Amino acid sequence: QSALTQPASVSGSPGQSITISCTGTSSDVGSYNLVSWYQQHPGKAPKLMIYEGSKRPSGVSNRFSGSKSGNTASLTISGLQAEDEADYYCSSYAGTTTLIFGGGTKLTVL
Amino acid sequence: QVQLVQSGAEVKKPGASVKVSCKASGYTFTSYPMHWVRQAPGQRLEWMGWSNAANGNTQYSQDFQGRVTITRDTSASTAYMELSSLRSEDMAVYYCARGRGSYSLDYWGQGTLVTVSS
Repeated sequence: QSALTQPASVSGSPGQSITISCTGTSSDVGSYNLVSWYQQHPGKAPKLMIYEGSKRPSGVSNRFSGSKSGNTASLTISGLQAEDEADYYCSSYAGTTTLIFGGGTKLTVL
Repeated sequence: QVQLVQSGAEVKKPGASVKVSCKASGYTFTSYPMHWVRQAPGQRLEWMGWSNAANGNTQYSQDFQGRVTITRDTSASTAYMELSSLRSEDMAVYYCARGRGSYSLDYWGQGTLVTVSS
C-alpha cells in the first residue's frame, strides 16, 4: 500500500503558523472525512491531535486545526511553540476497513 | 484512565515468529477495536491491521496479509499480534492502539521493540 504524501520537513519560528499537507487519492482522503493527525516526539508513542479531519480530542490545544480540500488534508499549527517540535503523521480511512498513514513530516521550531 | 501496556522487547532469528501482547485497562475492552501499527527505525508509521474486540473479526493490510494474525482474549482484556516468517526488515517498534469509530487511534501502547538478527 502506498503512503499518503507529506512534505519531509517544515520549519517555523516561535509564534508563527505552519501548515503540513497530506495528499492522498480519491480512494482515501478524497472520499472520506476520516483524516487523523498524530504528533510523535522522539522515542514516544504517537498522540492523536486531530480526528475526522478537523476535530480535536479533549486536551489538545486549539492552536492545532485541520482541514481538507479535495484529495489533500492539512494540519495548521498556529502560535508555534518549542514543544511543538516533533514528527507529524496523517492517516486516512482507505475503504474496506483499512487505514493508511502518511510518510511523516519533521517540524523544526527555529 | 485508559492504558495499553505491551509486552517486553523481543529478539528473534530470521524465519521465526513473534507474538506481542497488549493489555487494556480503564475501559470496556470489547467496546473498541484494537489496531496494530509498526515503525521501523527512522521510518514512518505502518498500519498492520485491526481486530473487532467484540467478535474477533479482523482486517489486515495487504502488505502483511498472510504473515500477521491479530487475536484477543476478552477475559483478559488483552489483544495479541503475531507476525511470522520474520526478516530483517521487520525489525521495528510495534504499537497497539485503541480505535474509534472514525478510524482514528486515540490511545497507544508504549511500543514493543522487535529485533530480528541471526
